[in-house]
Amino acid sequence: AQSVTQLDSQVPVFEEAPVELRCNYSSSVSVYLFWYVQYPNQGLQLLLKYLSGSTLVESINGFEAEFNKSQTSFHLRKPSVHISDTAEYFCAVTDSGGYQKVTFGTGTKLQVIP
Amino acid sequence: GAVVSQHPSWVICKSGTSVKIECRSLDFQATTMFWYRQFPKQSLMLMATSNEGSKATYEQGVEKDKFLINHASLTLSTLTVTSAHPEDSSFYICSARGVGTQYFGPGTRLTVL
Repeated sequence: AQSVTQLDSQVPVFEEAPVELRCNYSSSVSVYLFWYVQYPNQGLQLLLKYLSGSTLVESINGFEAEFNKSQTSFHLRKPSVHISDTAEYFCAVTDSGGYQKVTFGTGTKLQVIP
Repeated sequence: GAVVSQHPSWVICKSGTSVKIECRSLDFQATTMFWYRQFPKQSLMLMATSNEGSKATYEQGVEKDKFLINHASLTLSTLTVTSAHPEDSSFYICSARGVGTQYFGPGTRLTVL
């Protein structure tokens, strides 16, 4: 079984400032890791994922996350946020073997302040 | 990219009625689909795993007789909330398993009066 911890329930940040959303996971097997974004009253959109290979993965809108196996972390970063980045962000994990259930963190609400 | 749709996007019903929610994979075949439930300001909780042509696998604490799941084809899974009550009001999201990831539908907001 896996678990995901997102310690920050809310992160306020000024526009154009950098941001880091923290995610730690626990698992007894190797994992795949994901970040999803949810805008108000909408479903989830995949932001980026780590399956294998390079530990640094990037999204098309400037977000990046780094898989750190020793620290069991997959923190999400962006060097300069925009108002449009205001949303709920969920970190998720699944085992890399069977790829069945996805376990979600409790989410971090990113509030970009103009 | 792969697209998953849900219908309806929002439904309001009276207590005691049944509501059916459809989840479709539009441009790929999905042998496995998942149903999640999300309460306000909370994370997604997996309710059940839907496998095409076989019975769904429910998570602990989810009433299988209340939340009926049918995965009749490789592109369609349905969730029926039977005898809905106000506490069933929630955001229901499905996902379809693709290659290396899951593709999520836009969600269905159920409000039971």
